[in-house]
Amino acid sequence: AQSVTQLGSHVSVSEGALVLLRCNYSSSVPPYLFWYVQYPNQGLQLLLKYTTGATLVKGINGFEAEFKKSETSFHLTKPSAHMSDAAEYFCAVSSNSGYSTLTFGKGTMLLVSP
Amino acid sequence: NAGVTQTPKFQVLKTGQSMTLQCAQDMNHEYMSWYRQDPGMGLRLIHYSVGAGITDQGEVPNGYNVSRSTTEDFPLRLLSAAPSQTSVYFCASRRQETQYFGPGTRLLVL
Repeated sequence: AQSVTQLGSHVSVSEGALVLLRCNYSSSVPPYLFWYVQYPNQGLQLLLKYTTGATLVKGINGFEAEFKKSETSFHLTKPSAHMSDAAEYFCAVSSNSGYSTLTFGKGTMLLVSP
Repeated sequence: NAGVTQTPKFQVLKTGQSMTLQCAQDMNHEYMSWYRQDPGMGLRLIHYSVGAGITDQGEVPNGYNVSRSTTEDFPLRLLSAAPSQTSVYFCASRRQETQYFGPGTRLLVL
């Protein structure tokens, strides 16, 4: 069984401030971890993913995330928020066992103020 | 490459009506899936398919049917729509570990 918890349904930051979106996971096997972004009235776009290897992964639009096995976390960060980052962000987990399904967190809405 | 396409973009149904949400992909992916998205609930898996002729249930399968006769197409059927099925529906196909999502279908059941 696998699950994802995203802390905070809404996060507000000022433009230029650090963005930190929290994600904790539960998985009985080594996880694959993902962050997706959804802009209003659009589908989901992959930001970044962790499968194996380097635990710090870089994605599009200046985002990065670090896989911390000991903390079962995969937090998403960006050093400086931009107005265009306002969107909903979803953390998700699967595994490398065959056709493992993808389990999503409930999402975090990022609000960016000028 | 069109990627994953979904039709229609928006649909209004009356309770008890039936309809089929279409999903197609041109990437030759074996694995396809359907999710529904509801406010505060994230995305929940309805059904998935690991190849033509093979389907399985996800987390919330009740009220939905699927079939997979070709690699390209994975339609989702609502046999008797209920207001609880008002949602945004996303189809996805998968290559290796990464899923690629369609633009979604907004369904309103009155």
